[in-house]
Amino acid sequence: QVQLVESGGGVVPPGKSLTLSCAASGFSFGSHAMHWIRQAPGKGLEWVTLISYDGRKKSYADSVRGRLSITRDNSKNTLYLQMNGLRPEDTGVYYCGRGPERYFDYLGHGTLLTVSS
Amino acid sequence: QSALAQPASVSGSPGQSVIISCTGSSSDIGGYDFVSWYQQHPGKVPKFIIYDVNSRPSGVSDRFSGSKSGNTASLTISGLQPEDEADYYCISYTTDNTVIFGGGTKLTVL
Repeated sequence: QVQLVESGGGVVPPGKSLTLSCAASGFSFGSHAMHWIRQAPGKGLEWVTLISYDGRKKSYADSVRGRLSITRDNSKNTLYLQMNGLRPEDTGVYYCGRGPERYFDYLGHGTLLTVSS
Repeated sequence: QSALAQPASVSGSPGQSVIISCTGSSSDIGGYDFVSWYQQHPGKVPKFIIYDVNSRPSGVSDRFSGSKSGNTASLTISGLQPEDEADYYCISYTTDNTVIFGGGTKLTVL
C-alpha cells in the first residue's frame, strides 16, 4: 500500500536552515508529482510546493518562494524540502502528498517543525 | 494567492444534508475543473474525498458529492452522520500551476 513517511522536523532557531525528507513506498514514485503541505498549530491547511514526476517543473506558494526549495531523488524514492531563512510563521506540521499536480491523494502522517529561539 | 473562501462553520442534524461552498476566481476554480475536497478529523491526517469537482476516490461514501458553478465549488454531504463532524477543505489548481486551499469549514453534527 502507499506509504509516505516524513522526517527531519524539530526545533530550529529563526534564520537557520533545515531539510525535511519524505520516504515513499508502495507505488511508482518516479511516475507521480509530489507536494508539500503544512498546517500551523490550530490553523488550516496550506499548500507549500509541488514538483513534477521528473523534477523538471516546480512551483511554490508566494509565502515560501525564494526560501524553500523542493527536490526529489527518484533513485531513492525520496522527496525533500530544503528550508532556508526559517521564520516563526513556518512552524507547523509538514505533510508530503502524492500527486498528480492538481491534487494529492495520499498524505503522510507529517513531521513537526518548530521555529523558535 | 489569497485563500479560497469557505464559511467558517456549518451545521446540520443527523440525516440532513449540508452544503459547503468554496469561492475563488477565474484564475483557480473558474479556470479549470480541478477542485478537490479533504476531510480532517481533529489530530488526524486529512482524507481525500472528492477530486476533479465531482469524482469520488475508491472507498469514499457516495453521501459525499461535489459540484461547481462559475467561480464557486460546493461539497454536499447527504444523510449526515455523527462521524461526518470534521473540518473540510477545498483546493483548486490554478492558472499559475500552483495549488490553493480554502480556509476550511468546521462541520458540526447537532
